[in-house]
Amino acid sequence: QKEVEQNSGPLSVPEGAIASLNCTYSDRGSQSFFWYRQYSGKSPELIMSIYSNGDKEDGRFTAQLNKASQYVSLLIRDSQPSDSATYLCAVNQAAGNKLTFGGGTRVLVKP
Amino acid sequence: ETGVTQTPRHLVMGMTNKKSLKCEQHLGHNAMYWYKQSAKKPLELMFVYSLEERVENNSVPSRFSPECPNSSHLFLHLHTLQPEDSALYLCASSHSRPGTGAEAFFGQGTRLTVV
Repeated sequence: QKEVEQNSGPLSVPEGAIASLNCTYSDRGSQSFFWYRQYSGKSPELIMSIYSNGDKEDGRFTAQLNKASQYVSLLIRDSQPSDSATYLCAVNQAAGNKLTFGGGTRVLVKP
Repeated sequence: ETGVTQTPRHLVMGMTNKKSLKCEQHLGHNAMYWYKQSAKKPLELMFVYSLEERVENNSVPSRFSPECPNSSHLFLHLHTLQPEDSALYLCASSHSRPGTGAEAFFGQGTRLTVV
């Protein structure tokens, strides 16, 4: 079982719609969860961090964490073509500074 | 000035060459990382340095040799690489907090091509 799993996509959404991305992780002791956005040929850019169960909103982005079910999700509201990118879920495992990434979900926002 | 700076941005090297990648962070972090990103593969953690000590080595071949002389600088020394080592090499830094991790910030990456 992979430590951090994401659907590779592509997830195709019309402009203005909500994009919903999911991520599951295997280490039940994980404490910190992050979403990064990576444009083609560029390095990952942190867009959200979440540490406790529930929702966290920042602009058009909402991160949701459910530690009991070991999943974290990202919602992108009012999707724009500029949101087209690969979104990486990252989990900091309980022991040490090991930030483990999922394979990423490619999102395509169509005008 | 960007928080994490990597040089060079692009590197082409032969299999018998020796080269080094450099990373510098200006964020006051005390943990630094090397990641490898190959085409159509997830990010692979290579090395972690926390408080200038190597705390993680993910079974990386010895042709990759990291060096962390202080909390702001990280190097990756390369020698006798193989074509399959061609990839985007990313440096990142974060605060090192026992128990709960902190978010990592990435440099722009070095696109390495081994010929």
